[in-house]
Amino acid sequence: RKEVEQDPGPFNVPEGATVAFNCTYSNSASQSFFWYRQDCRKEPKLLMSVYSSGNEDGRFTAQLNRASQYISLLIRDSKLSDSATYLCVVNLIKAAGNKLTFGGGTRVLVKP
Amino acid sequence: DAEITQSPRHKITETGRQVTLACHQTWNHNNMFWYRQDLGHGLRLIHYSYGVHDTNKGEVSDGYSVSRSNTEDLPLTLESAASSQTSVYFCASSESQNTGELFFGEGSRLTVL
Repeated sequence: RKEVEQDPGPFNVPEGATVAFNCTYSNSASQSFFWYRQDCRKEPKLLMSVYSSGNEDGRFTAQLNRASQYISLLIRDSKLSDSATYLCVVNLIKAAGNKLTFGGGTRVLVKP
Repeated sequence: DAEITQSPRHKITETGRQVTLACHQTWNHNNMFWYRQDLGHGLRLIHYSYGVHDTNKGEVSDGYSVSRSNTEDLPLTLESAASSQTSVYFCASSESQNTGELFFGEGSRLTVL
């Protein structure tokens, strides 16, 4: 089983609709979680951190479910510019430094 | 503005040749990382460094080496390129060892024929 798993998609989303997708992780000791966005043929960029209580950043909402070991990302009122691959990142903090594990990404295509 | 740059952006080489990918950051970050990205595998850590003269192996380090002689640079060397090393390589840096925020370079696309 992969340490971090994501549905690769693509999720085809009509413009203005809401889309949500999850990321599961296998190590229950994982301590912090992040969503990155990667545009086609570009570098990943941090979208948002995921806090235990859940958090919002504009149209984006991230949730953490420790009991079931998954995080989620919800995008409201989807824009064409939201088309990208969303990478889930799980951080296991060790004495020697953190270990960041990336998921394979979920591709989102927002269509007019 | 501070940044992280990689060169070359595109490289085609032959099996068995030595290749070096450069990574230079002006963030003054102590922590630097090299990842490769392949379809179906996501980003996988090759090597990382937490400071000058410090280097560590990641999960896919075989066939790769790095050196850290200053804060700004972490070159990645493929000693004898293999077709399995055809990939997109990303360099990244971070401010602290326990952060999840990495700043990535634009990537280097390497093709080994």
